[in-house]
Amino acid sequence: GAGVSQSPSNKVTEKGKDVELRCDPISGHTALYWYRQSLGQGLEFLIYFQGNSAPDKSGLPSDRFSAERTGGSVSTLTIQRTQQEDSAVYLCASSLVGSGAYEQYFGPGTRLTVT
Amino acid sequence: KNEVEQSPQNLTAQEGEFITINCSYSVGISALHWLQQHPGGGIVSLFMLSSGKKKHGRLIATINIQEKHSSLHITASHPRDSAVYICAVGGVAGGGADGLTFGKGTHLIIQP
Repeated sequence: GAGVSQSPSNKVTEKGKDVELRCDPISGHTALYWYRQSLGQGLEFLIYFQGNSAPDKSGLPSDRFSAERTGGSVSTLTIQRTQQEDSAVYLCASSLVGSGAYEQYFGPGTRLTVT
Repeated sequence: KNEVEQSPQNLTAQEGEFITINCSYSVGISALHWLQQHPGGGIVSLFMLSSGKKKHGRLIATINIQEKHSSLHITASHPRDSAVYICAVGGVAGGGADGLTFGKGTHLIIQP
């Protein structure tokens, strides 16, 4: 079946602009995660959705970052007033259920470059 | 917050060698994940384990919950095994749901 998909695959934006990144999880997966992979920091957790519960936003680096998940499926990560340090690959993953004790399936990522 | 340490950071070996990558963490977990990332490629889950040992082809993963330590072994290594191997831990033991905490990865190169 279809895996996790993300769009766009690449995004170049000017500093100060807002960007939206999209994630389509595997059908039937209730848990959805956003991660960021940058050269200096490695992989880091951003936000986690489990079903209809309130998301775990503990990894978001600033209030410029927000995410929503509509209808328990597609998720959008929004970065407002982008900064150069936001340049990274943003990865989405989904799993059947959450808790970190279930296999996660990763999307191909969106490479964000802020100029 | 869980600290995840991997070693070595870089490893170059000859084809056919037995490879071991180590991972240690500081806080009890629900599960440990081993992930693989080829250059320019996506991330693939190799193993998820919470106890004992798992084997898939030439890959073996072990975990010692008491010592908070896991190892990933590759037998009869091949150049196509060249990739970054990432250890990640998930879930706090005793409850709580959160995202994975990652090690910095081990960059493995297998030379023919």
